[in-house]
Amino acid sequence: GENVEQHPSTLSVQEGDSAVIKCTYSDSASNYFPWYKQELGKGPQLIIDIRSNVGEKKDQRIAVTLNKTAKHFSLHITETQPEDSAVYFCAASRGGANNLFFGTGTRLTVIP
Amino acid sequence: EAGVAQSPRYKIIEKRQSVAFWCNPISGHATLYWYQQILGQGPKLLIQFQNNGVVDDSQLPKDRFSAERLKGVDSTLKIQPAKLEDSAVYLCASSPVRGARYNEQFFGPGTRLTVL
Repeated sequence: GENVEQHPSTLSVQEGDSAVIKCTYSDSASNYFPWYKQELGKGPQLIIDIRSNVGEKKDQRIAVTLNKTAKHFSLHITETQPEDSAVYFCAASRGGANNLFFGTGTRLTVIP
Repeated sequence: EAGVAQSPRYKIIEKRQSVAFWCNPISGHATLYWYQQILGQGPKLLIQFQNNGVVDDSQLPKDRFSAERLKGVDSTLKIQPAKLEDSAVYLCASSPVRGARYNEQFFGPGTRLTVL
């Protein structure tokens, strides 16, 4: 099956700085790569996703890049704010949003 | 729009006991998922339903776990008997099969299970 690795496991940044989280995947047939934000005591919430026919996608302060050749994708958050503090998970799937394989998560702390 | 509802939110049991979790998906969502999230890890899919049929249960430990979605709406996940390693958060998610948010998974708050 698919194996998704995520780095770093923890990340602390000053408010206003950028944060980057990286993931690699093993299954070259994977074609859907969502990112989830999980706040304490809540379920994961989709924040952005990208499909394999696109190299980059942006939504306000959040962007995701995909390198299919190298089998890695990254989440970029610019102008970080304290409310961005949470655990972020990447995931990969070969069947749209079905059969998601999640990374191990990155705990992001934004220091005011 | 109401989100995915789960109950109970917390459950503490002793090993070898039984436990059941309930999930009510977003209205109209045909696909329902159960995930197990062990502390410090990402969610792992246990079972996926499309309406009341099982799509994927390849990672469900069938000797002790069972799940059903009899009328294609609510679902229950049961563990019998529980082991210490079953301590985790059990997440339910649902997704529509059509529309602008086709296949996006919406997660509930989860049930935190502690097995002593």
